Amino acid sequence: NAGVTQTPKFQVLKTGQSMTLQCAQDMNHNSMYWYRQDPGMGLRLIYYSASEGTTDKGEVPNGYNVSRLNKREFSLRLESAAPSQTSVYFCASIQGEAGSPLHFGNGTRLTVT
Amino acid sequence: GDSVTQMEGPVTLSEEAFLTINCTYTATGYPSLFWYVQYPGEGLQLLLKATKADDKGSNKGFEATYRKETTSFHLEKGSVQVSDSAVYFCALRSSGGYQKVTFGTGTKLQVIP
Repeated sequence: NAGVTQTPKFQVLKTGQSMTLQCAQDMNHNSMYWYRQDPGMGLRLIYYSASEGTTDKGEVPNGYNVSRLNKREFSLRLESAAPSQTSVYFCASIQGEAGSPLHFGNGTRLTVT
Repeated sequence: GDSVTQMEGPVTLSEEAFLTINCTYTATGYPSLFWYVQYPGEGLQLLLKATKADDKGSNKGFEATYRKETTSFHLEKGSVQVSDSAVYFCALRSSGGYQKVTFGTGTKLQVIP
């Protein structure tokens, strides 16, 4: 039972490079999320997708784009990486039923030099 | 908008000590409340939850009670172990819209033998 799978686990980029973080869930959840985690700031929502075919901005969307490829997959793209985007990125998904919790992947640790 | 406030850490306790991590929230309607735990290098895992007022969530010796009158969901454990050392996040899931999940900033717990 894989749950939420993120790739890669680690990545180092130079300023200006681009990359895509991949996320897939096998729980048939409608809603998926991308968060970033920085020391002392908890988790901040970057983008979310309430259902297949829809995406919306969260608290900190600048510098990122997302694609909800299908119900299982939700990718996050950095078009031109900046040092301020050094962070740990978590993908999560949730069942629509009220009271259901978020299910998280194990994260991608990104360093931008 | 929704918000979650939890006590700042780090919290350092001796093994077998009593643990309380305070969490208060602001939300409209009837949110669901959660505690997540994050062990080093891992994603967030659900620890416990409560979906309505006066519900008590419990797991692995941890407990928290949904107190609507004080808008609180404090985490407690009677006797902590070294293996409980982790970061703990309080979160709420709103009852309407796309069911946004809002996190506190996290509290780091260190238990020393």
